[in-house]
Amino acid sequence: GQNIDQPTEMTATEGAIVQINCTYQTSGFNGLFWYQQHAGEAPTFLSYNVLDGLEEKGRFSSFLSRSKGYSYLLLKELQMKDSASYLCAVRDSEDNYGQNFVFGPGTRLSVLP
Amino acid sequence: DTGVSQDPRHKITKRGQNVTFRCDPISEHNRLYWYRQTLGQGPEFLTYFQNEAQLEKSRLLSDRFSAERPKGSFSTLEIQRTEQGDSAMYLCASSTGILNSNGYTFGSGTRLTVV
Repeated sequence: GQNIDQPTEMTATEGAIVQINCTYQTSGFNGLFWYQQHAGEAPTFLSYNVLDGLEEKGRFSSFLSRSKGYSYLLLKELQMKDSASYLCAVRDSEDNYGQNFVFGPGTRLSVLP
Repeated sequence: DTGVSQDPRHKITKRGQNVTFRCDPISEHNRLYWYRQTLGQGPEFLTYFQNEAQLEKSRLLSDRFSAERPKGSFSTLEIQRTEQGDSAMYLCASSTGILNSNGYTFGSGTRLTVV
C-alpha cells in the first residue's frame, strides 16, 4: 500500500524558521513534491526532490532521504503570508497516472506575529 | 494561457440533485485529472484522462459519478443523486506526458456543499 504521514498542524512566529516533516511508504519512488495550499485555493507547486539531499529555492528548501522514506520542507524568515497548508506528495512510478501520485494529509501552518 | 480553470467555484445543491462541474486544462497538457479534497485532508485521486480516453478510475468513484473529456480538451464531472457525503472540494489538474519536475498544475477547485 501507500502511506504518507505529516503533522496535522504547526505554529511558528513571523521571522522564524520552521521544518515540516513528511514520511512515506510507497511501492516505488520517482519523486517527492511539496505543494502550498492557501485556504480555498488550488495547491501550488513549491519543490521537487528525486535524489537524496537538499534543494534550495529562496526562503524554501526541501530535503530527501530515500533510504529513510523521509523528507522535510524548511521555511526560513517566515512571513504571515506563509500561513497555509503544506502538502507532501509522492510519485511512485515513472508514469503520470493519477493513482501513482499520492498526497499526504497536509500540514496546516499558522504564522503568528 | 492562464492555467487550469474550473467552473463554478462554489455550488450548493439539495440532496438528490445532479450537479456538473467543468474543467479547462492548460491547452498543451494532454493529461487531465480529477481529485476530491475534504477539509483537513490531502487531495484524493478520482479519475484520469489522456486526451479523450478515460484511462483510470479510483474505487472512490461510485456509479453516481461520471466524467468525460469529449474532445480531449475540457472535461466535465457529473455527480448524480448527490449525497451529503459528496460535499468536498473537487480539484482538476493537468500535466504533459513528459516526466517533469513540476508535477501537476491544479485549478482553484469547485467547492460543493450538499444540504
